[in-house]
This record gives sequence, structure tokens and C-alpha cells, in this order.
Amino acid sequence: NAGVTQTPKFQVLKTGQSMTLQCAQDMNHEYMSWYRQDPGMGLRLIHYSVGAGITDQGEVPNGYNVSRSTTEDFPLRLLSAAPSQTSVYFCASSYSRKYTEAFFGQGTRLTVV
Amino acid sequence: GDSVTQMEGPVTLSEEAFLTINCTYTATGYPSLFWYVQYPGEGLQLLLKATKADDKGSNKGFEATYRKETTSFHLEKGSVQVSDSAVYFCALRPSGTYKYIFGTGTRLKVLA
Repeated sequence: NAGVTQTPKFQVLKTGQSMTLQCAQDMNHEYMSWYRQDPGMGLRLIHYSVGAGITDQGEVPNGYNVSRSTTEDFPLRLLSAAPSQTSVYFCASSYSRKYTEAFFGQGTRLTVV
Repeated sequence: GDSVTQMEGPVTLSEEAFLTINCTYTATGYPSLFWYVQYPGEGLQLLLKATKADDKGSNKGFEATYRKETTSFHLEKGSVQVSDSAVYFCALRPSGTYKYIFGTGTRLKVLA
């Protein structure tokens, strides 16, 4: 089982560049989300989706875009990278029904210089 | 709003010591509660969960009990191993929502 797959695993960007972090899941989960992990701050929700064609903002959405054209894929786009976006990014997915846990990808370590 | 507070680390223990990592939460209704573990360079993995009051989640020797009266979900293990060294996250999923809310994580280091 592949589970939640994120690519790339590492990325270095220059300030102002754009890029897309890929996330795919093969568990037919309705709910997908993106988090960033920073030291001392835990995981903060960037954007989430409750199904294909439906997305919404989380706690820290500025500077990021998402779309959900299929159940499986949920890419995260950085529009114009800034050093403040240096972080580790995690994609997660889960079923919509109650009591279920989230499954996480391996993470993407992004450095913006 | 809903939130999770867990003890700050790092926690350093000797092998075979008893572990407690405190977690308290604020939420309306009856959220589901989770403990996740993150090993170096990896994503978060579910360690255990509890979905209603007085439920006890357990896995790999770790346990946590859903205490509604104290809004707590403390993680315990009777005898830690070096391989338990990791970061542990307490999380909740508020009832009726899709979102998960995480604590800031507690780093555990176990010395041989």
C-alpha cells in the first residue's frame, strides 16, 4: 500500500520562485490537508479539502494555493516563495466519517534562500 | 476555540524508565483524541487513539486514557527503550468536523 505519497522530499528555492508540492493518496479518502511544521509550533493547517472540487483555508493560508480536481491528488502551490516559507510540509488524508485518524506523507523539506 | 496543550520537551530518560507525557485539550462536545509519533526524517504515524470518554488507547506498550472530567489524554509507557526516541504529538478531531488540531510536540530521548 502506497498510502500518502509526497514529492519532492527536499527542495531549495530562491526567493520569488514558484513551485508545486505534490500529494497523492490511494485510500479513497475524502478529506485531504496540508500542514507546515516549524520548530516549537507543532503542525499548522494551511489548506484543506473535503472532496474533489472543494477546498478551504486553514490557519496559515497566505502565499499558498491548492486545488482538488480528483479524489487522489491535492497539490500545494507556492506562488512566490519567501524565506518565511522555509519549513517541512506534510500532506495528510482521512475518511470523512467520525473517529477516523489522519494518515501522513513523509514530508517535504523546503528551504527558501 | 479548540486547542491542545502538551508538555514541553525535551524529555530525557534512561532505558526502562517510566514515561508520562501530559496532554490536555479544550473542545466542545466529544472530540476524538490521538497520539502520533514522528521518527527523525519521517512523517507522523498514528500511535493510538480514543474516541469516547474513559476509552483507553494502547499500542506498542504505550497507553492513554480519554478523561473527559479533566480534559486530558496523557501518554504513558511503563518501560521505554532507546528505539522510542522520537517526537510525540497529541491531537484531537473535534466532533462534527474534518479538521485535526495538534499540540506542539514533545521530543523524547531515551539513553542506553
